[in-house]
Amino acid sequence: RKEVEQDPGPFNVPEGATVAFNCTYSNSASQSFFWYRQDCRKEPKLLMSVYSSGNEDGRFTAQLNRASQYISLLIRDSKLSDSATYLCVVNNRSSGSARQLTFGSGTQLTVLP
Amino acid sequence: DAGVIQSPRHEVTEMGQEVTLRCKPISGHNSLFWYRQTMMRGLELLIYFNNNVPIDDSGMPEDRFSAKMPNASFSTLKIQPSEPRDSAVYFCASSPVSYEQYFGPGTRLTVT
Repeated sequence: RKEVEQDPGPFNVPEGATVAFNCTYSNSASQSFFWYRQDCRKEPKLLMSVYSSGNEDGRFTAQLNRASQYISLLIRDSKLSDSATYLCVVNNRSSGSARQLTFGSGTQLTVLP
Repeated sequence: DAGVIQSPRHEVTEMGQEVTLRCKPISGHNSLFWYRQTMMRGLELLIYFNNNVPIDDSGMPEDRFSAKMPNASFSTLKIQPSEPRDSAVYFCASSPVSYEQYFGPGTRLTVT
């Protein structure tokens, strides 16, 4: 079983739609969670951290369910510029290094005009 | 801040040649990571340094790969000899005390 699993998509949605991505992680000791965004032929960039109480940043809402080891990202009123691959990222506390992050394989989103 | 700087941005080389990739982390960040990304395998951690000391190199594919961090502002990843299967995008990332990592623009390596 992969440490971090995501639906690869692709998700093709019309502009203005609401889209949700899900992610599950296998290590119950993980303590830090993030969503990164990667544009085509670019580097991954931090989109937002995910906090236990859930958090929102404009049109983006992230939620964490520790009991189910599940993370979600909701994008409201999607824009053409949201088209990218979204990576679910988890801190792997079981590794030799607490700083090590494990990246999911990403979910591809295309927002259509 | 200039962000993480990597060079070269593109490298095309022939099989058997030595390749050296360079990285300058964000000033003040004490952790540095080297990743490789391919379509087939996604983003893979190769090695990680904390305060210039290698902490985990279990992701380094084989002895042909080596990495150094002689000081807080510079790191290299070397492949010798290079092989076609090494073709990938190599990212360097740095991290402050917290866990977020900030990536450089990557080096696109093609080995023919």
